[in-house]
Amino acid sequence: SAVISQKPSRDICQRGTSLTIQCQVDSQVTMMFWYRQQPGQSLTLIATANQGSEATYESGFVIDKFPISRPNLTFSTLTVSNMSPEDSSIYLCSVELAGGRDTQYFGPGTRLTVL
Amino acid sequence: GDSVTQMEGPVTLSEEAFLTINCTYTATGYPSLFWYVQYPGEGLQLLLKATKADDKGSNKGFEATYRKETTSFHLEKGSVQVSDSAVYFCALSAISGAGSYQLTFGKGTKLSVIP
Repeated sequence: SAVISQKPSRDICQRGTSLTIQCQVDSQVTMMFWYRQQPGQSLTLIATANQGSEATYESGFVIDKFPISRPNLTFSTLTVSNMSPEDSSIYLCSVELAGGRDTQYFGPGTRLTVL
Repeated sequence: GDSVTQMEGPVTLSEEAFLTINCTYTATGYPSLFWYVQYPGEGLQLLLKATKADDKGSNKGFEATYRKETTSFHLEKGSVQVSDSAVYFCALSAISGAGSYQLTFGKGTKLSVIP
């Protein structure tokens, strides 16, 4: 497996502001993903963070709202822009290891509350 | 599209009771199947996986068998402990149209074990 860290672990933000969440892995990985888990719900994939190119977004998620960067094979950021209370969720990054094919490992998550 | 259906919770058991959490799936092709666990306030941890029919995944006393004929992957444990209290997610992994593996999650089942 891999050691995955996320910063911040939690934050409380005001409506209309933006928050950038960082995901750091202790080894080079092929794929990195960002998920949202709304209160009491399951996980929904936001996008796949591609190294060296634009992220691939799932239906219902757009780059203007959730810009993603992945400058190298161990780091990615997700920004939640122009936040509203509906953005209050846990945001998780996950990784797929080289040779891991179809198994994803998750970070501890960032718990975001928007007032 | 692919989907995962797992039994609704919450489930409350006494310590040392037998646990079954049902999970069925719908998918084209031959997905890999997973159980993830989310302890209170934490991210998701991979509990076990199975990659082909009749495979049995096991970890920490939990086990699940990939049943292709019934499209099921039920989670079982013979004797639960208070420390098993968590939310359990069943998931499948299949290749997306973009060529990467993507996870589809069930809604999660909250387990509470009382002394």
